[in-house]
Amino acid sequence: GAVVSQHPSRVICKSGTSVKIECRSLDFQATTMFWYRQFPKKSLMLMATSNEGSKATYEQGVEKDKFLINHASLTLSTLTVTSAHPEDSSFYICSARDVIGLAPEDTQYFGPGTRLTVL
Amino acid sequence: AQKITQTQPGMFVQEKEAVTLDCTYDTSDQSYGLFWYKQPSSGEMIFLIYQGSYDEQNATEGRYSLNFQKARKSANLVISASQLGDSAMYFCAMREEESGGSNYKLTFGKGTLLTVNP
Repeated sequence: GAVVSQHPSRVICKSGTSVKIECRSLDFQATTMFWYRQFPKKSLMLMATSNEGSKATYEQGVEKDKFLINHASLTLSTLTVTSAHPEDSSFYICSARDVIGLAPEDTQYFGPGTRLTVL
Repeated sequence: AQKITQTQPGMFVQEKEAVTLDCTYDTSDQSYGLFWYKQPSSGEMIFLIYQGSYDEQNATEGRYSLNFQKARKSANLVISASQLGDSAMYFCAMREEESGGSNYKLTFGKGTLLTVNP
């Protein structure tokens, strides 16, 4: 099946610094990637939809200047948490659509997630 | 109103037995897709099974089957012959068509924590 990687898996940073998280589709091209946030024991909350070569579409309530998304190629999307604060601590998980593969075209394949802790 | 409802916060099942995880959905779209994902304690989301709204037969993937009852708007996941490794959080999700073209956004339920006992 389609494989999505995320890097780093864990990151601890000081308040006020910026953190970049990478999401890569390893064996397929992904024109669309998605970024989610998940709090402990909660469901996934969609933050934004990232389309290759265009600006990301952010969900209501998500600060686009705080969560910068770049989808520069068909296999890579990045999420940068700018000026991170302790309330940004969370599990961030990306997904990608494999439009050419055998699965239904709207199937999303998820990365392993990144646990961000802001001190 | 919630679009995806999973009424079972937690479920227990004995190893080798079957278990059904409930999922109901709410949509006015004619075309939609329903998904089940498994999230072990490691955090990764694993795609299990898909059911399209126009699919007449229930989807099956190995030990997983989806009991799709369109009139009732339910899409329950059935896991047969449970294994210890099935212990995880299970999420039901729906993709709806949006006006102006689909952007394939998924809406997730709150999840059901399944524990398989030896």
